[in-house]
Amino acid sequence: GENVEQHPSTLSVQEGDSAVIKCTYSDSASNYFPWYKQELGKGPQLIIDIRSNVGEKKDQRIAVTLNKTAKHFSLHITETQPEDSAVYFCAASKGNQGGKLIFGQGTELSVKP
Amino acid sequence: DGGITQSPKYLFRKEGQNVTLSCEQNLNHDAMYWYRQDPGQGLRLIYYSQIVNDFQKGDIAEGYSVSREKKESFPLTVTSAQKNPTAFYLCASSMDRGANQPQHFGDGTRLSIL
Repeated sequence: GENVEQHPSTLSVQEGDSAVIKCTYSDSASNYFPWYKQELGKGPQLIIDIRSNVGEKKDQRIAVTLNKTAKHFSLHITETQPEDSAVYFCAASKGNQGGKLIFGQGTELSVKP
Repeated sequence: DGGITQSPKYLFRKEGQNVTLSCEQNLNHDAMYWYRQDPGQGLRLIYYSQIVNDFQKGDIAEGYSVSREKKESFPLTVTSAQKNPTAFYLCASSMDRGANQPQHFGDGTRLSIL
């Protein structure tokens, strides 16, 4: 079955710097890749997603890139702010089994003021 | 304001006891999901339902049961057969079962053993 690996597990940056989180997936049939932000004691919140027919997607300070050949996708956050501090999860789905998502292990991002 | 409501926020289970976690959504979504989150790990799928009166096992269904009698409700029962139930449980929903619709999450129920 699908396996999603996420790196790094922790990431510390200075406010204003960029942060990059990378995920690799094993099943070439996967075609949907969402990213979630989870704050302490809360449920994950969808921040951006990308489908396999697109190589890059941007939303203000957040961007996601997808390399289908290498089977990896990355989250880029520019001009980081302290409120970006949270745990970020990537996920992958093939669109079958009711849209079942396979999640990475998470990255704890800390933005130091 | 539309969303997903999980209750209670904290729940304690005694040995041999079944407990039920509530999940309600007013987003008019067809599909609903239950995930388990353990410290330092990603989310793992327990059960999902694509339509009323139908549900499917996920990757870690043993020791859990669900029902889907109404579109807006998808309760999860943690049975005494689940030997390691301590975890953070998350419910999610999506517009429909196909075409990779985004999943939206509630704020979870934290279950602990007494």
